[in-house]
Amino acid sequence: NAGVTQTPKFQVLKTGQSMTLQCAQDMNHNSMYWYRQDPGMGLRLIYYSASEGTTDKGEVPNGYNVSRLNKREFSLRLESAAPSQTSVYFCASSGGQDPYEQYFGPGTRLTVT
Amino acid sequence: QQPVQSPQAVILREGEDAVINCSSSKALYSVHWYRQKHGEAPVFLMILLKGGEQKGHEKISASFNEKKQQSSLYLTASQLSYSGTYFCGTELYSGYALNFGKGTSLLVTP
Repeated sequence: NAGVTQTPKFQVLKTGQSMTLQCAQDMNHNSMYWYRQDPGMGLRLIYYSASEGTTDKGEVPNGYNVSRLNKREFSLRLESAAPSQTSVYFCASSGGQDPYEQYFGPGTRLTVT
Repeated sequence: QQPVQSPQAVILREGEDAVINCSSSKALYSVHWYRQKHGEAPVFLMILLKGGEQKGHEKISASFNEKKQQSSLYLTASQLSYSGTYFCGTELYSGYALNFGKGTSLLVTP
């Protein structure tokens, strides 16, 4: 099992450009999450999806949109990137045999210039 | 709603003990603990549920004071491999998303 995979691993964007971060999990989990991590700020929830077909806003959703394409995939889109969105983005999933544990992907390091 | 962690950073020598605290201003359903090594993804350590149930790694211990909405993570006889940043995540009710604290940086030196 690959667990949670994220693409790309690194990305540099110019202000105003758009892009989609991809996330997939092969653990048949119901719940998926997108976090951003900035130095000294911990992990902040952007959006989450409790099940296929549902999405909810987290703590910092402004400037982002998400799509739960199917049970495996949960994508995060930046429509018009801003320097404030420079961050490391983590996708996570949960809901297997142990429903509490969140499994994190390796992260995407995004720089917006 | 972000829980408050203390201390922000701690340096230990191998074999020493440490306690990391996490407190919330709201009543909690559960507290989760994760560790993140530099450049890597966070990894689950344990969960403490309202009512006293705990699940997690055998070598890690923690407590959850429901009256004070505080949790403490106990790292005993620390090893070099314990170095990293520890995050607590709090859950207001079952199935709700986690709110993570800002983290506690732990460095274990030889």
